[in-house]
Amino acid sequence: DSGVTQTPKHLITATGQRVTLRCSPRSGDLSVYWYQQSLDQGLQFLIQYYNGEERAKGNILERFSAQQFPDLHSELNLSSLELGDSALYFCASSPGDDGGNQPQHFGDGTRLSIL
Amino acid sequence: EDKVVQSPLSLVVHEGDTVTLNCSYEVTNFRSLLWYKQEKKAPTFLFMLTSSGIEKKSGRLSSILDKKELFSILNITATQTGDSAIYLCAVFDSGGSNYKLTFGKGTLLTVNP
Repeated sequence: DSGVTQTPKHLITATGQRVTLRCSPRSGDLSVYWYQQSLDQGLQFLIQYYNGEERAKGNILERFSAQQFPDLHSELNLSSLELGDSALYFCASSPGDDGGNQPQHFGDGTRLSIL
Repeated sequence: EDKVVQSPLSLVVHEGDTVTLNCSYEVTNFRSLLWYKQEKKAPTFLFMLTSSGIEKKSGRLSSILDKKELFSILNITATQTGDSAIYLCAVFDSGGSNYKLTFGKGTLLTVNP
């Protein structure tokens, strides 16, 4: 158990809808990272938050947004969903803001299926 | 664009065999290379490497980094069925807009009894 908690575990919805994925980092970790894992693309970095502020941005679509709250949990919002958004979404956390100096620890992911 | 290439893509061995997994990379500002093991769910952290030539070891697993040739290997000795998993290599680029962890596609290891 990594200590990173993600909810829900599974989500099934339809095209055009909006969903929110939630992540609680390990105790003491201030950085939260979001990744998308699909069969053809592998694990792709979306965005990092550190202590409530956006720290780094990857290949995140404009239809997607995230935030980190004062209690350090984070939410990833996906809107105007398309079939291609079906994937496993992982959250990871690390203690500081330097993602290259500390290993990131991953949650079990949320499997999103778009029908 | 950062690139991380793992080989082989898949590997089938028998219990007790030794395996070597490869990871080569091209990034702008190398900071660290990480290995993860992914079974059914979350990738679990194995090693973080930042310096060339220094072997990291944990039980039957070991890893080493060559920053001159831009690659790393992960060795698993005396494999067990519980080692069956996807092994992911990731490289952290600390440069500007590339500031992120880039993952390879992984090596699927199957250990048969």
